This record gives sequence, structure tokens and C-alpha cells, in this order.
Amino acid sequence: QQKVQQSPESLSVPEGGMASLNCTSSDRNFQYFWWYRQHSGEGPKALMSIFSDGDKKEGRFTAHLNKASLHVSLHIRDSQPSDSALYFCAASELSGSWQLIFGSGTQLTVMP
Amino acid sequence: GGIITQTPKFLIGQEGQKLTLKCQQNFNHDTMYWYRQDSGKGLRLIYYSITENDLQKGDLSEGYDASREKKSSFSLTVTSAQKNEMAVFLCASSSGLGGIAETLYFGSGTRLTVL
Repeated sequence: QQKVQQSPESLSVPEGGMASLNCTSSDRNFQYFWWYRQHSGEGPKALMSIFSDGDKKEGRFTAHLNKASLHVSLHIRDSQPSDSALYFCAASELSGSWQLIFGSGTQLTVMP
Repeated sequence: GGIITQTPKFLIGQEGQKLTLKCQQNFNHDTMYWYRQDSGKGLRLIYYSITENDLQKGDLSEGYDASREKKSSFSLTVTSAQKNEMAVFLCASSSGLGGIAETLYFGSGTRLTVL
């Protein structure tokens, strides 16, 4: 079983709509989370990190972390066609030897 | 800002061949990484290096060698290319010595095809 699991695998939303992506860690040591976005033909780029319980908002993007359930979500409001990309959730350990573990990604398509 | 340059962008090799991928960064970052991206499997860490001449194995290091010749460059060698090596190899860097609060900066990848 992958340590970081994402759902759904793919998602389509209309332009201006809300996109919601989910991620869960199966290892309690991995509870620091990142969201990365990858456009076709490019490398992933960091969107935001979240390390504390609750919400973190950056522009149209809001991440929500529940440490008790090791669940993190990413919500994109007013989705734009340029938001169409592969979104990765990644988790890292509390301390010690670190490693950033990536999920398998959610492919988001925003339809004009 | 800085940039990570990966060469070549496309690499076609023969099964059993030894192939080398190169990565350069001008961020002056200490730590560099090689990840492999397969469709539907996310990114998996092959090797990372926290300083010149340092090498640390990731979960996917078998079948690969790496070399950190200087702070700005990190090479990855596929020791014997296999048919199932068709993937995108991503190089990344980060500013510190590895830690939870670091942003990874990625190159655009080398796409490997093995015939």
C-alpha cells in the first residue's frame, strides 16, 4: 500500500467552479504535507505546504489538514483553464532522516 | 530566481545500454535529488545528495548510480537499461540539508525510451 494516497485519480470541473482534491497518509510519521502542481511537459512546482491542523489559504487555493485522520485536502475556487494540471500531494516525516513521499496524483481538467 | 537544467530532454537507448542523465542548478542549493515519474505511480526517489560528493539512496536506487561532482551538478546513470525503464526522470534541488520545511525546485525532466 502506498504511504500517500490521493483521490480522485481524475477530476473535471467547469471554469469558475470549485475543485476538491484529497490525500491521506497511511503512516503516522508522515504528517507534514505539501501540494505540488505539474503542467504537461514541465516539472512539478510547489503550490503550498501545511503542517498544522486547520485551513491555510493562499489566493484561490485552500488546504485543510486533519492530523488525527492524516487527511489533507486542496480546494481550488473559481477554477481556471490554466489550473488544468496533475496535482501531487507529498508528505514528509516529523524528524530524523527525511524523505518526501509523493502520491500518484490527481489529474484536474477545467473545462472552459 | 534560479533554474534547473536537465540534459538531454529526450533519451533513446537500447536494452542493456548504460545511459547517463545530467542536471545543473544555479540556485546555489545544497541538496539535489533524482526522482523517477511513471504514469499512475507518482514520483519515487532514486538518489539524493546533501553536499558535493555525498550520496544517499532512495527507495528506487537499485539499477542506478549517481554522482555529485560539484555543488551545482548531479548526474544519474542507468547501469543497464531495461524495457520497463520508460519513464520521466526529474532532477530537483532544495536549499537546506533536507528537512520538512523545504521547497523542492524541479527541472522539466528527461524522457527515457528504451528500444
